[in-house]
Amino acid sequence: DTGVSQDPRHKITKRGQNVTFRCDPISEHNRLYWYRQTLGQGPEFLTYFQNEAQLEKSRLLSDRFSAERPKGSFSTLEIQRTEQGDSAMYLCASRDKGLAGGSSYNEQFFGPGTRLTVL
Amino acid sequence: AQSVTQLDSQVPVFEEAPVELRCNYSSSVSVYLFWYVQYPNQGLQLLLKYLSGSTLVESINGFEAEFNKSQTSFHLRKPSVHISDTAEYFCAVSESWFGNEKLTFGTGTRLTIIP
Repeated sequence: DTGVSQDPRHKITKRGQNVTFRCDPISEHNRLYWYRQTLGQGPEFLTYFQNEAQLEKSRLLSDRFSAERPKGSFSTLEIQRTEQGDSAMYLCASRDKGLAGGSSYNEQFFGPGTRLTVL
Repeated sequence: AQSVTQLDSQVPVFEEAPVELRCNYSSSVSVYLFWYVQYPNQGLQLLLKYLSGSTLVESINGFEAEFNKSQTSFHLRKPSVHISDTAEYFCAVSESWFGNEKLTFGTGTRLTIIP
């Protein structure tokens, strides 16, 4: 399988609990992205990594959210003290570095997502 | 800041009829533009993209989109739709300055094909 994979696909948790999601990007893609998609909305950018460095974080990423990519391969997204408003689909994407203006530039490949339900 | 507007949240179309899904963007700089498709119970897939060059871009399954800079639009069209085109379609924009990695998506258009 050469696509982006995410685990788990579904997570149900109670308010106040911590949850962690994992994303495995396409092999050798050095850029990895996290997005959040709520019902009726398009995906919203959360953060991105170039190799192991987290280079940008959206203001949507509150203090309760943390993302890591320790070895520049897989990434984890943790939500602490979950709230009902955190219920959403969490999407991971990756891309290779490409060349500016080249055909692969900024083409992000998405995983199937992790659907989080906070009760 | 970049933004995208998809005015039509739902578009019902009869099978074999033409369709246009509208997308307008806002940005003060040059942009890259994308259409992603999400089939039921599946992840987002890139349908087509505009980076530079010809303003008319095509997908392998008969969709096309035209970049119109003066109207800041990137509408998606297909001359004859099939049942299998039933899906949600998202337009996305990314400002083309060095170091920008963020995709900004519209709210999506749900295309329903009526047999």
